[in-house]
Amino acid sequence: KAGVTQTPRYLIKTRGQQVTLSCSPISGHRSVSWYQQTPGQGLQFLFEYFSETQRNKGNFPGRFSGRQFSNSRSEMNVSTLELGDSALYLCASSLGLPGDGETQYFGPGTRLLVL
Amino acid sequence: LAKTTQPISMDSYEGQEVNITCSHNNIATNDYITWYQQFPSQGPRFIIQGYKTKVTNEVASLFIPADRKSSTLSLPRVSLSDTAVYYCLVATDRGSTLGRLYFGRGTQLTVWP
Repeated sequence: KAGVTQTPRYLIKTRGQQVTLSCSPISGHRSVSWYQQTPGQGLQFLFEYFSETQRNKGNFPGRFSGRQFSNSRSEMNVSTLELGDSALYLCASSLGLPGDGETQYFGPGTRLLVL
Repeated sequence: LAKTTQPISMDSYEGQEVNITCSHNNIATNDYITWYQQFPSQGPRFIIQGYKTKVTNEVASLFIPADRKSSTLSLPRVSLSDTAVYYCLVATDRGSTLGRLYFGRGTQLTVWP
């Protein structure tokens, strides 16, 4: 069974631009979570989707948004990019909700560099 | 909110047992505790998960005391390839729109020959 895939793997943008990242969960998984990882802040939770509904959201500004499609694939969008948005963005999928004991499986991440 | 606290770094030698403790004082009744391992430029990899008492799998053991305010990941007989960052995760406020998923800051484990 294929693992979690994320595209693109690497991305370079300039301040003020917007970006869309894509995540394809493991087949059959209905929950997708997004995280931001930076050297200074570590892994921080962005949002979680289950069956096309956002179930939880982390403490990030409204510039960060996401959605989930009927096939469980998910996208996250960052508008008006800032230098501080440079990070590794990780997607994780699980059969059900992670807090209900479901294991999350992570993708390789998308490394975003904002210049 | 069930934030977690872990040591920033630990050192060990090959063949030794390593124990990494995570504190989660505000863990809720229905929260699970999960540990992940991460190598540079890779996504975290699931190691073990538990709710209470002790859980063991082929790579690690997880000890959770009765009050569940902490948990200890035990890695038996570590090798050089176990050098990585280890994260403790607790899910809190499940079902609430204010719910959060918190990773600890991670523990950098370095195994020396």
